[in-house]
Amino acid sequence: AQSVTQPDIHITVSEGASLELRCNYSYGATPYLFWYVQSPGQGLQLLLKYFSGDTLVQGIKGFEAEFKRSQSSFNLRKPSVHWSDAAEYFCAVLASGTYKYIFGTGTRLKVLA
Amino acid sequence: EAQVTQNPRYLITVTGKKLTVTCSQNMNHEYMSWYRQDPGLGLRQIYYSMNVEVTDKGDVPEGYKVSRKEKRNFPLILESPSPNQTSLYFCASSSEHRAKSTGELFFGEGSRLTVL
Repeated sequence: AQSVTQPDIHITVSEGASLELRCNYSYGATPYLFWYVQSPGQGLQLLLKYFSGDTLVQGIKGFEAEFKRSQSSFNLRKPSVHWSDAAEYFCAVLASGTYKYIFGTGTRLKVLA
Repeated sequence: EAQVTQNPRYLITVTGKKLTVTCSQNMNHEYMSWYRQDPGLGLRQIYYSMNVEVTDKGDVPEGYKVSRKEKRNFPLILESPSPNQTSLYFCASSSEHRAKSTGELFFGEGSRLTVL
Protein backbone atom coordinates (compact mmCIF):
# COMPACT_ATOMS: atom_id res chain seq x y z
CA ALA A 1 0.00 0.00 0.00
CA GLN A 2 1.12 3.52 -0.68
CA SER A 3 2.25 5.50 2.32
CA VAL A 4 4.12 8.63 3.28
CA THR A 5 6.20 8.92 6.42
CA GLN A 6 7.38 12.12 8.02
CA PRO A 7 9.43 10.88 10.96
CA ASP A 8 9.76 14.24 12.71
CA ILE A 9 6.61 15.53 14.37
CA HIS A 10 8.25 18.69 15.66
CA ILE A 11 11.43 20.48 14.64
CA THR A 12 12.88 23.61 16.23
CA VAL A 13 15.58 25.67 14.55
CA SER A 14 17.08 29.08 15.13
CA GLU A 15 16.44 31.83 12.65
CA GLY A 16 19.16 31.82 10.02
CA ALA A 17 19.98 28.15 10.52
CA SER A 18 19.57 25.57 7.80
CA LEU A 19 16.59 23.24 7.70
CA GLU A 20 15.91 19.75 6.46
CA LEU A 21 12.52 18.06 6.80
CA ARG A 22 12.41 14.37 6.04
CA CYS A 23 9.90 12.50 3.92
CA ASN A 24 9.91 8.84 2.93
CA TYR A 25 7.35 7.22 0.70
CA SER A 26 6.28 3.77 -0.25
CA TYR A 27 5.01 3.35 -3.78
CA GLY A 28 5.53 0.78 -6.52
CA ALA A 29 6.44 3.18 -9.28
CA THR A 30 7.87 6.67 -9.29
CA PRO A 31 5.17 8.79 -7.74
CA TYR A 32 4.42 12.44 -8.05
CA LEU A 33 5.77 14.06 -4.89
CA PHE A 34 4.79 17.31 -3.22
CA TRP A 35 5.51 19.49 -0.27
CA TYR A 36 2.74 21.69 1.09
CA VAL A 37 2.93 24.28 3.86
CA GLN A 38 0.14 25.18 6.27
CA SER A 39 0.41 28.44 8.14
CA PRO A 40 -1.66 28.80 11.31
CA GLY A 41 -5.36 29.15 10.53
CA GLN A 42 -4.78 28.74 6.82
CA GLY A 43 -5.24 26.10 4.19
CA LEU A 44 -2.36 24.30 2.56
CA GLN A 45 -0.18 25.94 -0.08
CA LEU A 46 2.00 24.11 -2.57
CA LEU A 47 5.73 24.68 -2.00
CA LEU A 48 7.13 22.46 -4.72
CA LYS A 49 6.59 19.27 -6.64
CA TYR A 50 8.52 16.52 -8.42
CA PHE A 51 7.22 14.60 -11.40
CA SER A 52 10.30 13.60 -13.35
CA GLY A 53 13.62 14.90 -14.61
CA ASP A 54 16.03 16.81 -12.42
CA THR A 55 15.90 15.29 -8.96
CA LEU A 56 16.59 18.61 -7.26
CA VAL A 57 13.54 20.84 -7.48
CA GLN A 58 13.19 24.44 -6.50
CA GLY A 59 10.07 25.85 -4.92
CA ILE A 60 8.68 29.04 -3.55
CA LYS A 61 10.01 30.90 -0.51
CA GLY A 62 13.55 29.63 -1.07
CA PHE A 63 12.75 25.96 -0.47
CA GLU A 64 14.16 23.05 -2.43
CA ALA A 65 13.75 19.30 -2.28
CA GLU A 66 15.72 16.36 -3.58
CA PHE A 67 14.22 13.14 -4.85
CA LYS A 68 16.33 10.08 -4.05
CA ARG A 69 14.88 6.97 -5.61
CA SER A 70 17.32 4.62 -3.87
CA GLN A 71 16.22 5.91 -0.48
CA SER A 72 12.55 6.51 -1.38
CA SER A 73 12.96 9.97 0.03
CA PHE A 74 11.97 13.49 -0.87
CA ASN A 75 13.49 15.74 1.79
CA LEU A 76 12.75 19.44 1.97
CA ARG A 77 15.58 21.89 2.60
CA LYS A 78 16.15 25.57 3.12
CA PRO A 79 19.61 27.11 3.63
CA SER A 80 18.52 29.87 6.01
CA VAL A 81 15.24 29.79 7.88
CA HIS A 82 13.18 32.93 8.50
CA TRP A 83 10.79 33.41 11.41
CA SER A 84 7.92 33.48 8.92
CA ASP A 85 8.69 29.87 7.96
CA ALA A 86 7.16 28.66 11.21
CA ALA A 87 4.30 26.45 10.04
CA GLU A 88 3.34 22.84 9.51
CA TYR A 89 4.77 21.06 6.49
CA PHE A 90 3.20 18.13 4.71
CA CYS A 91 4.75 15.76 2.24
CA ALA A 92 2.32 14.14 -0.20
CA VAL A 93 2.28 11.48 -2.88
CA LEU A 94 0.01 11.34 -5.90
CA ALA A 95 -0.35 8.00 -7.61
CA SER A 96 0.32 8.79 -11.25
CA GLY A 97 -2.77 8.87 -13.46
CA THR A 98 -5.08 9.09 -10.46
CA TYR A 99 -6.47 11.69 -8.11
CA LYS A 100 -5.45 9.71 -5.06
CA TYR A 101 -3.35 11.90 -2.81
CA ILE A 102 -1.72 10.51 0.30
CA PHE A 103 -0.42 12.96 2.86
CA GLY A 104 2.14 12.44 5.57
CA THR A 105 1.31 13.27 9.16
CA GLY A 106 3.10 16.59 9.01
CA THR A 107 6.10 18.24 10.66
CA ARG A 108 5.56 21.31 12.76
CA LEU A 109 8.41 23.79 12.48
CA LYS A 110 9.20 26.24 15.23
CA VAL A 111 11.69 29.03 14.59
CA LEU A 112 13.58 30.65 17.45
CA ALA A 113 14.52 34.30 17.20
CA GLU B 1 -9.39 36.40 -6.92
CA ALA B 2 -9.10 32.65 -7.41
CA GLN B 3 -10.17 30.89 -4.28
CA VAL B 4 -11.85 27.99 -2.54
CA THR B 5 -14.41 29.15 0.02
CA GLN B 6 -15.68 27.03 2.88
CA ASN B 7 -18.50 27.79 5.28
CA PRO B 8 -18.84 27.78 8.18
CA ARG B 9 -15.26 28.27 9.35
CA TYR B 10 -16.17 27.23 12.88
CA LEU B 11 -19.10 25.20 14.12
CA ILE B 12 -20.08 23.60 17.39
CA THR B 13 -22.99 21.18 17.18
CA VAL B 14 -24.51 18.27 19.04
CA THR B 15 -24.62 14.59 18.26
CA GLY B 16 -27.21 13.69 15.66
CA LYS B 17 -27.97 17.17 14.38
CA LYS B 18 -27.52 17.16 10.61
CA LEU B 19 -25.14 19.70 9.22
CA THR B 20 -23.67 20.75 5.89
CA VAL B 21 -20.30 22.32 5.23
CA THR B 22 -20.31 24.17 1.95
CA CYS B 23 -17.41 24.45 -0.46
CA SER B 24 -17.32 26.66 -3.52
CA GLN B 25 -14.54 27.37 -6.01
CA ASN B 26 -14.40 30.07 -8.67
CA MET B 27 -11.69 28.55 -10.87
CA ASN B 28 -13.90 26.30 -12.99
CA HIS B 29 -12.08 23.25 -11.63
CA GLU B 30 -13.36 19.79 -12.45
CA TYR B 31 -11.78 18.05 -9.47
CA MET B 32 -12.86 18.72 -5.89
CA SER B 33 -12.13 16.85 -2.71
CA TRP B 34 -12.72 16.85 1.04
CA TYR B 35 -10.12 16.05 3.69
CA ARG B 36 -10.13 15.88 7.43
CA GLN B 37 -7.08 16.79 9.45
CA ASP B 38 -6.50 15.23 12.85
CA PRO B 39 -3.45 15.52 15.11
CA GLY B 40 -0.90 12.82 14.35
CA LEU B 41 -2.87 11.58 11.35
CA GLY B 42 -2.24 14.27 8.78
CA LEU B 43 -4.84 14.80 6.08
CA ARG B 44 -7.11 11.97 5.10
CA GLN B 45 -9.34 12.05 2.07
CA ILE B 46 -13.07 11.69 2.70
CA TYR B 47 -14.61 11.98 -0.76
CA TYR B 48 -13.64 13.37 -4.10
CA SER B 49 -15.36 14.34 -7.31
CA MET B 50 -13.93 14.37 -10.79
CA ASN B 51 -16.81 16.31 -12.28
CA VAL B 52 -20.50 17.08 -11.95
CA GLU B 53 -22.45 14.04 -10.76
CA VAL B 54 -19.23 12.00 -10.44
CA THR B 55 -18.12 11.29 -6.89
CA ASP B 56 -16.10 8.56 -5.20
CA LYS B 57 -15.05 7.51 -1.73
CA GLY B 58 -11.70 8.38 -0.28
CA ASP B 59 -10.06 6.70 2.68
CA VAL B 60 -12.50 7.70 5.43
CA PRO B 61 -15.99 8.13 3.92
CA GLU B 62 -18.03 6.61 6.77
CA GLY B 63 -20.54 9.04 8.24
CA TYR B 64 -20.28 11.53 5.38
CA LYS B 65 -22.14 12.26 2.18
CA VAL B 66 -21.35 14.55 -0.70
CA SER B 67 -23.06 15.80 -3.82
CA ARG B 68 -21.84 17.53 -6.95
CA LYS B 69 -24.79 19.07 -8.71
CA GLU B 70 -22.88 22.08 -9.95
CA LYS B 71 -19.28 22.35 -11.00
CA ARG B 72 -18.40 25.06 -8.52
CA ASN B 73 -19.97 23.53 -5.39
CA PHE B 74 -19.13 20.40 -3.42
CA PRO B 75 -20.91 20.32 -0.05
CA LEU B 76 -20.00 17.87 2.70
CA ILE B 77 -22.99 16.51 4.59
CA LEU B 78 -22.94 14.93 8.04
CA GLU B 79 -26.36 13.31 8.37
CA SER B 80 -25.94 12.33 12.03
CA PRO B 81 -22.71 13.78 13.41
CA SER B 82 -20.88 11.99 16.18
CA PRO B 83 -18.05 13.17 18.45
CA ASN B 84 -15.47 11.21 16.44
CA GLN B 85 -16.19 13.56 13.54
CA THR B 86 -14.79 16.46 15.51
CA SER B 87 -12.01 17.60 13.23
CA LEU B 88 -10.62 20.26 10.92
CA TYR B 89 -12.03 19.87 7.43
CA PHE B 90 -10.50 21.09 4.20
CA CYS B 91 -11.97 21.36 0.75
CA ALA B 92 -9.60 21.39 -2.22
CA SER B 93 -9.93 21.72 -5.96
CA SER B 94 -7.88 21.33 -9.10
CA SER B 95 -8.42 21.41 -12.83
CA GLU B 96 -8.33 17.98 -14.40
CA HIS B 97 -5.50 19.05 -16.64
CA ARG B 98 -3.67 20.66 -13.76
CA ALA B 99 -4.15 17.68 -11.48
CA LYS B 100 -2.71 15.33 -14.05
CA SER B 101 0.01 17.65 -15.23
CA THR B 102 1.04 19.31 -11.99
CA GLY B 103 -0.96 17.69 -9.23
CA GLU B 104 -1.46 21.00 -7.49
CA LEU B 105 -4.41 21.25 -5.16
CA PHE B 106 -5.94 24.56 -4.12
CA PHE B 107 -7.20 24.47 -0.55
CA GLY B 108 -9.85 26.36 1.33
CA GLU B 109 -9.03 27.82 4.73
CA GLY B 110 -10.62 25.01 6.66
CA SER B 111 -13.73 24.42 8.77
CA ARG B 112 -13.26 23.49 12.39
CA LEU B 113 -16.12 21.29 13.54
CA THR B 114 -16.82 20.25 17.12
CA VAL B 115 -19.48 17.65 17.82
CA LEU B 116 -20.58 17.44 21.46
